Parts: sequence; structure tokens; C-alpha cells
Amino acid sequence: EDQVTQSPEALRLQEGESSSLNCSYTVSGLRGLFWYRQDPGKGPEFLFTLYSAGEEKEKERLKATLTKKESFLHITAPKPEDSATYLCAVRSPAGAGNNRKLIWGLGTSLAVNP
Amino acid sequence: GAVVSQHPSWVICKSGTSVKIECRSLDFQATTMFWYRQFPKQSLMLMATSNEGSKATYEQGVEKDKFLINHASLTLSTLTVTSAHPEDSSFYICSARRNNARTEQYFGPGTRLTVT
Repeated sequence: EDQVTQSPEALRLQEGESSSLNCSYTVSGLRGLFWYRQDPGKGPEFLFTLYSAGEEKEKERLKATLTKKESFLHITAPKPEDSATYLCAVRSPAGAGNNRKLIWGLGTSLAVNP
Repeated sequence: GAVVSQHPSWVICKSGTSVKIECRSLDFQATTMFWYRQFPKQSLMLMATSNEGSKATYEQGVEKDKFLINHASLTLSTLTVTSAHPEDSSFYICSARRNNARTEQYFGPGTRLTVT
């Protein structure tokens, strides 16, 4: 069964303290892994898409990497404004074309203290 | 960028009434739109997938007669919650994807529905 597991469930960091969030997946044929950020009471904000093992993408203090079994979201020198829930999703190979849906992890709730 | 709007951002209605939520892709054409609901401190639950000009595909357990979805154009999809009940109270979020099945989804800001 296709599955996405995120860890840790919650993470509290001091401002400037770098860390990594993990997203482990089991899917028969990866067709894209996606990272989103969600603030309370808002819709998710797209961050990155990764398609193949070894791929890396960066945006400001965030860097996403991908292996054949997991993805990491590295946060370098985080600031309080990075506090949010970070969601990981993979595209399921099941279904036809446009109807292929995303399988979501439960997210990591990140709090960065000033 | 890719901007998706939702309207209204919040709505309160009485039991038995119907509520319509609009989802628009503002700067791109969306072949496919998705409707999710999210309960507090839980992840996103896909309700249905809609392709422009076609009937929506509903997830198992989602009543298609209760949650009516219309995707009449490449920039607009609507979700109508019919005969709403308090258990329908939730955070509803739409997302839209460009005309390419490999691309990412862009989400709207969500609609908070409260049924009294």
C-alpha cells in the first residue's frame, strides 16, 4: 500500500538552530514528491517538487533532497517566521493521468523560538 | 506565480441549507481541480477530483449527492454542500493543477464552514 510517513511529528528549534525534517515513502513507482508549508487556518503553500533520487532543490533557508526511500527538508538557520506545519506528499501511480492523486503525510509542526 | 482564490473565506449557515464555495485559478488554466477537507490537527483528506467539462471523481465514502462539484471552465470550480449538517463543519480547501499531470498543485486559502 502506498504510504507517506513524516517525522518528527513536532519539532521545536531555537532561532539559528539548523535541523532536518524527514519524509519516508513507499510507493510503487514515484511520480513526484512534493513539499508544502501550511500556516494555521490557511491552505498549503507549494515549496518544492522532486522527481528522481539525488535531486536537490533550494529556496532561501530550505533545501529538499530525495533518495529512493525518503526525502529530507533541511532548514538552515531558521527564523521564527519559518514556524509552520510542513507537509510531504507523493503522487500515486494509481489512476489515469489527470486523476492521479497525492498521498499525504501527517506533517511536521515546526516551532522556531526567537 | 500560480494563484488560487476561494470564496468565501468563512461562512456560517443553518442546518438544512446549502452553501456554495468557489475556487478560481487566477493566473493559469487548471485542467484539474481538487477539493479537500481538513479537520483540526489532521492532514488533508481528498474529497474529489474534477476535470474541466467532466463529472467529478469522488473518493470512497464521499457522498456525491451531498457534495456537488462543478468544473465548468478552466479557471472555476464550485463545491456545493447540500442540506448541510453540523458534522459538515470543517475547513474546505481547493487546489488546482496546470494542464500537465506531472506538475504540482496550488492551493486556495481555504473556506471555514460552520453549520449551526
